[in-house]
Amino acid sequence: EPEVTQTPSHQVTQMGQEVILRCVPISNHLYFYWYRQILGQKVEFLVSFYNNEISEKSEIFDDQFSVERPDGSNFTLKIRSTKLEDSAMYFCASSGESAGNSPLHFGNGTRLTVT
Amino acid sequence: GNSVTQMEGPVTLSEEAFLTINCTYTATGYPSLFWYVQYPGEGLQLLLKATKADDKGSNKGFEATYRKETTSFHLEKGSVQVSDSAVYFCALLNTGNQFYFGTGTSLTVIP
Repeated sequence: EPEVTQTPSHQVTQMGQEVILRCVPISNHLYFYWYRQILGQKVEFLVSFYNNEISEKSEIFDDQFSVERPDGSNFTLKIRSTKLEDSAMYFCASSGESAGNSPLHFGNGTRLTVT
Repeated sequence: GNSVTQMEGPVTLSEEAFLTINCTYTATGYPSLFWYVQYPGEGLQLLLKATKADDKGSNKGFEATYRKETTSFHLEKGSVQVSDSAVYFCALLNTGNQFYFGTGTSLTVIP
């Protein structure tokens, strides 16, 4: 069964550094998402992406965050200048149709640790 | 606003025990409700869903009924197995097409 893959599985970075989290969604999917989960807290929506543009974003997704689909297969989340509070598990997801019409398929997550 | 509250874990059960993981929600409008499961080292996977009041979602022996009157979507299984050990997330999808997840409940089943 096709799956969403995320790399790396664990990223450690210093405060102020830029990080790029990578995701390869399922190939025929059209909707892409990033979520994050700070340890012990809820899974939070960050952003959704459709037709090469952001369709929705949460308050968390400020100017430090950006997403890109550079080559038709990868879907990346960039954090420009990481803060300690960005430490979390970041999940990529994709779906064939809009949320609710088809299930979200999640990757295994990237654990980001900012020191 | 929209939010999901689920029972805190961790939950530890013996094999063949009955499982209930409570989930309640607040939402504007009429959301769809979901349970996702995360097995060790894997991503979240859809376990079951219900799209309207009184619907029952079921899969792999798990069930949950959408109760509008109590704003609940409790997950149940009559006889758990060791392979059910995972983290379970309750979630709602609101009419604005956004998912809201609970904090997750860790379940460990011991032989």
